[in-house]
Amino acid sequence: EAQVTQNPRYLITVTGKKLTVTCSQNMNHEYMSWYRQDPGLGLRQIYYSMNVEVTDKGDVPEGYKVSRKEKRNFPLILESPSPNQTSLYFCASSLGHGGGYTGELFFGEGSRLTVL
Amino acid sequence: AQKITQTQPGMFVQEKEAVTLDCTYDTSDQSYGLFWYKQPSSGEMIFLIYQGSYDEQNATEGRYSLNFQKARKSANLVISASQLGDSAMYFCAMRGPDSNYQLIWGAGTKLIIKP
Repeated sequence: EAQVTQNPRYLITVTGKKLTVTCSQNMNHEYMSWYRQDPGLGLRQIYYSMNVEVTDKGDVPEGYKVSRKEKRNFPLILESPSPNQTSLYFCASSLGHGGGYTGELFFGEGSRLTVL
Repeated sequence: AQKITQTQPGMFVQEKEAVTLDCTYDTSDQSYGLFWYKQPSSGEMIFLIYQGSYDEQNATEGRYSLNFQKARKSANLVISASQLGDSAMYFCAMRGPDSNYQLIWGAGTKLIIKP
């Protein structure tokens, strides 16, 4: 089954404790992206990757890191989480060159993160 | 710059009625994609329907259809025979070269289906 898998789905952590949210897709997609969603603010892009070893900042990259060493994986790293990073996080992927980068994004189920 | 406008913050619709959710967009691109996503209260983002800018026919997926009017830059979602399970937030989005292929999102419409 074609899917984007995020882990963990739910996490409560404390300020400053490094954490990684994993994202994996099995559709051989070139493009991957991370979003956060907060009440009243909609979805905001954190980072995206057009292909392996190619990443770029989105609208709200501060406090986050990403890497794209393999095509299927795009982990989101919070080096020193703070309470303002409490949010619902989505990973998404889509075709790149083959789809002209204009095709639909497939979303993971979301990761609900709480930083105390 | 690209922009998506959803003018209906919320809508109430009687079960089994058809509903149209409005979406207008602004872009200078010739090649772009338009999307509708559904987000129920459980939080996941569910892809509903896609329309490519060069697609001549309106996209349809089951009870969902996209009323694509390119000259008016309009991409309204039509849900036929609404069901209680259609109650959710609905987001219109687009991507194209003008936004470096990043998704531009509308603010969303909260749809509530009344029994």
